[in-house]
Amino acid sequence: TQLLEQSPQFLSIQEGENLTVYCNSSSVFSSLQWYRQEPGEGPVLLVTVVTGGEVKKLKRLTFQFGDARKDSSLHITAAQPGDTGLYLCAGTNAGNMLTFGGGTRLMVKP
Amino acid sequence: DAGVTQSPTHLIKTRGQQVTLRCSPISGHKSVSWYQQVLGQGPQFIFQYYEKEERGRGNFPDRFSARQFPNYSSELNVNALLLGDSALYLCASSPAGSSPLHFGNGTRLTVT
Repeated sequence: TQLLEQSPQFLSIQEGENLTVYCNSSSVFSSLQWYRQEPGEGPVLLVTVVTGGEVKKLKRLTFQFGDARKDSSLHITAAQPGDTGLYLCAGTNAGNMLTFGGGTRLMVKP
Repeated sequence: DAGVTQSPTHLIKTRGQQVTLRCSPISGHKSVSWYQQVLGQGPQFIFQYYEKEERGRGNFPDRFSARQFPNYSSELNVNALLLGDSALYLCASSPAGSSPLHFGNGTRLTVT
């Protein structure tokens, strides 16, 4: 069974601080996706990383896929209250069946 | 264009009852997947359908079943409900079997 572990589970920071969320597995994934989910809504795709060592940037968010394609990180620079939400990583292999991590619940206080 | 729509948005059932959840994919999307998200956890894969055929099944008991219709909409059925089935049930669609998923806002099922 493929498992993805996210850390930390909860994070409460002040506006303007930086943070990093980690997603780790003992399994190799062909690609890894990051989603953000707000209360009452479904997850929304932020980014897909495919190549080992790949780095993608989305405004203040930086995503990295580990060289061995087993882990990933999400770094947010100068966090804002609008970044508050549940961040989920998900790995894919065969087909389009996603294996999700447990999520990191981020709260950014003004 | 409308996104993935799910109905109902909320549902309360009693243990032992049966429930049917419905999902309409984005127009043109032929693949539908179902996920269960228990409170405080990440979503878990239940089923994937593509062109009306089951393409994958997660580690769920036979009480869970699904189907996809000719118009690509889908239903998820759960029989003999247990308290542990209380969760947010998410439907996601994609144009093909391996494209990025677009999630609906889910059906919140509460089993009492």
